[in-house]
Amino acid sequence: EAQVTQNPRYLITVTGKKLTVTCSQNMNHEYMSWYRQDPGLGLRQIYYSMNVEVTDKGDVPEGYKVSRKEKRNFPLILESPSPNQTSLYFCASAQGDIQETQYFGPGTRLLVL
Amino acid sequence: AQSVTQPDIHITVSEGASLELRCNYSYGATPYLFWYVQSPGQGLQLLLKYFSGDTLVQGIKGFEAEFKRSQSSFNLRKPSVHWSDAAEYFCAVGSNQAGTALIFGKGTTLSVSS
Repeated sequence: EAQVTQNPRYLITVTGKKLTVTCSQNMNHEYMSWYRQDPGLGLRQIYYSMNVEVTDKGDVPEGYKVSRKEKRNFPLILESPSPNQTSLYFCASAQGDIQETQYFGPGTRLLVL
Repeated sequence: AQSVTQPDIHITVSEGASLELRCNYSYGATPYLFWYVQSPGQGLQLLLKYFSGDTLVQGIKGFEAEFKRSQSSFNLRKPSVHWSDAAEYFCAVGSNQAGTALIFGKGTTLSVSS
């Protein structure tokens, strides 16, 4: 089944404790992206990747890192999480460029205390 | 500035009634337009998209949308709403320029009353 998976689905952590949210897709997509969703703000892009070893900042990259060492994986790293990073995070992938249909993962709900 | 506006935060429609969700965009380049739906606890699913050609596009689940360049709008419609359509709906805009991000509206929550 074609899908985007994220782990963990739910995470509670404390300020400053490094964490990684994994994202994996099995569709051989070139494009991958991370979004955060906050009430009243909709989805905002954090980082995206056009292909392996190619990443770039989205609208709200501060406090986040990403890497794209393999085509299928695009982990999101929070080196020192803060409470303002409490949010719902979505990973997405697409074949080719952004105008292609983006397939979204189920989301990761993060609470930073 | 590039933006997407969904004027209605929350809409309630009776089951069986028609639905129209509004979306206005501001975009410098030729826009690629999308509607996504997010059911409770789920990720986003693409309903339909418009790149060019016929300005009335058909999507999944009986939805359609009409692109009106003169009004910078891309409104989503459905002739008869089902209770399972209750969800949050997002309009998004992008371009054909490599590397540009999708810009999402803030969403419209649809409730369906019986």
